Amino acid sequence: EDKVVQSPLSLVVHEGDTVTLNCSYEVTNFRSLLWYKQEKKAPTFLFMLTSSGIEKKSGRLSSILDKKELFSILNITATQTGDSAIYLCAVPFSGGGADGLTFGKGTHLIIQP
Amino acid sequence: NAGVMQNPRHLVRRRGQEARLRCSPMKGHSHVYWYRQLPEEGLKFMVYLQKENIIDESGMPKERFSAEFPKEGPSILRIQQVVRGDSAAYFCASSPDYNEQFFGPGTRLTVL
Repeated sequence: EDKVVQSPLSLVVHEGDTVTLNCSYEVTNFRSLLWYKQEKKAPTFLFMLTSSGIEKKSGRLSSILDKKELFSILNITATQTGDSAIYLCAVPFSGGGADGLTFGKGTHLIIQP
Repeated sequence: NAGVMQNPRHLVRRRGQEARLRCSPMKGHSHVYWYRQLPEEGLKFMVYLQKENIIDESGMPKERFSAEFPKEGPSILRIQQVVRGDSAAYFCASSPDYNEQFFGPGTRLTVL
């Protein structure tokens, strides 16, 4: 059974700090790994990673994948209170095609002013 | 380009009633997915549909739940004879192909 484990489950930091969120996975046929940000509504797409070692970057957020060790990290630098959210990691399951996603439980990030 | 639309945003039903949740995918997206998020739990896949076809319903409870994506109109997730344990947020996502999925705002179902 496919599995996605995120850590930590919750994290409280002060504004301006840098945070690293972790996601490890076990999946039968790996194709990609996705990161989402969920505030009080819909998960918002952040990144999709398919290749090891290639960093994806968007503003203060960046993410990288290690397919050998089966994990990904999401970094947020110079955090702001608006970064407070649940960050979700997901992998498509099954053997191919546009399949459903298996999600981790998420990291609940709180940024204190 | 409007995002994924879901309605209603909030739905209250009494035990034994039926709940119908609607999802209109983003323009040009032919893949639709339904997920359920129970309190204090992560998002769980329920069903994957393309137009007029259910591709994968492995995450859907065998009884009382059904889904469709007709040729015309939105995708519908139908829950018959709702029970308190069905109270959750139900999210729909759409995708144009085999890549990232874009989520709608969700329908929060409360069963009294």
